[in-house]
Amino acid sequence: DAGVTQSPTHLIKTRGQQVTLRCSPKSGHDTVSWYQQALGQGPQFIFQYYEEEERQRGNFPDRFSGHQFPNYSSELNVNALWLGDSALYLCASSPDRDTEAFFGQGTRLTVV
Amino acid sequence: SQQGEEDPQALSIQEGENATMNCSYKTSINNLQWYRQNSGRGLVHLILIRSNEREKHSGRLRVTLDTSKKSSSLLITASRAADTASYFCATVLTGGFKTIFGAGTRLFVKA
Repeated sequence: DAGVTQSPTHLIKTRGQQVTLRCSPKSGHDTVSWYQQALGQGPQFIFQYYEEEERQRGNFPDRFSGHQFPNYSSELNVNALWLGDSALYLCASSPDRDTEAFFGQGTRLTVV
Repeated sequence: SQQGEEDPQALSIQEGENATMNCSYKTSINNLQWYRQNSGRGLVHLILIRSNEREKHSGRLRVTLDTSKKSSSLLITASRAADTASYFCATVLTGGFKTIFGAGTRLFVKA
């Protein structure tokens, strides 16, 4: 079992561009959550997907959008990138909301 | 604002000593979880404690939960240099799906 895999591991984008990050959940997990972690801070919840629908959303602007596919993999899209979007983006999967979450190693996004 | 707040922000101890980290939260929760993060990479789940539980153990880890005080503690006994990491508490609010993390405690264990 490969666990949660994220791609790419590192990414550099220019202000104003768009980016797509990808996540494959752990086998058997149907719930995927995305987090943004700024340096020295705790992860901030962006949104959670379940059965291809956004189930709950954190306090992030509409520039942040996502998608979940029938195989439960997920994408995070960020439009009109700001310098402040530079962070580690983490994906986590779980079999349901009341159990432990398994995290990927993250995508380090740098906006210049 | 953060739902979970860890205390202390940083902790430096000698190998073999015990490390205690505390977490306070503000509203009713389904469960509280503790995670470890090494070098700003992925988080590793340590323990989940449900709102109707008071204490859980896993190896050298002991977690307590006091819902009346809205607080939890993580105790690492006989610490090792490999325990050096950031530790986060995370809560899932009652009836919700959102997991809210605190800012973390940075633990440094000196060999």
